[in-house]
Amino acid sequence: DVKVTQSSRYLVKRTGEKVFLECVQDMDHENMFWYRQDPGLGLRLIYFSYDVKMKEKGDIPEGYSVSREKKERFSLILESASTNQTSMYLCASSLWGDPNTEAFFGQGTRLTVV
Amino acid sequence: AQRVTQPEKLLSVFKGAPVELKCNYSYSGSPELFWYVQYSRQRLQLLLRHISRESIKGFTADLNKGETSFHLKKPFAQEEDSAMYYCALLYNNNDMRFGAGTRLTVKP
Repeated sequence: DVKVTQSSRYLVKRTGEKVFLECVQDMDHENMFWYRQDPGLGLRLIYFSYDVKMKEKGDIPEGYSVSREKKERFSLILESASTNQTSMYLCASSLWGDPNTEAFFGQGTRLTVV
Repeated sequence: AQRVTQPEKLLSVFKGAPVELKCNYSYSGSPELFWYVQYSRQRLQLLLRHISRESIKGFTADLNKGETSFHLKKPFAQEEDSAMYYCALLYNNNDMRFGAGTRLTVKP
């Protein structure tokens, strides 16, 4: 019963590489989110999107960009990976405009930049 | 700024003891608050939402607007409650921000 799928569980990339993290949801949700999860810092919002081709910066957008060409897919891009981007990345989706909404999360991608 | 504060990174209690995980928020509008839980090796998932006034797995949370708090409580903790707990604030009906999380350990 998987609803939000992230393309990779584990990734190891080299400093300076361009990295793509993909997320797909099958619930027809308008909202999609990318968070990074770090011990002691919790979940910090990188970007979110409320519609195709729309995006909003979160708390820590520096060093990241996103792409939402189709409703079901939200990609996180690290233009030039750095070691301080080593983290667990979580994708989530939710219904637009619903105060009772529940965010559904992917299983996470653990990225290591060496 | 909209912010969620969970002051305790770690919380340890014995089985059968009461547990309270603290959450405070700052938001000028009308808050929608949630608790999410992540068990070991599982996805983050919704535990409860304040708008539903529900009790899930024995947990309850009351929104106190005067104290801007949404503390999570359970009268008798169980070992299977051991997990990471995140308080979350939804604002503008779409943007969801999380606290730093509290790792709860329930000892036998």
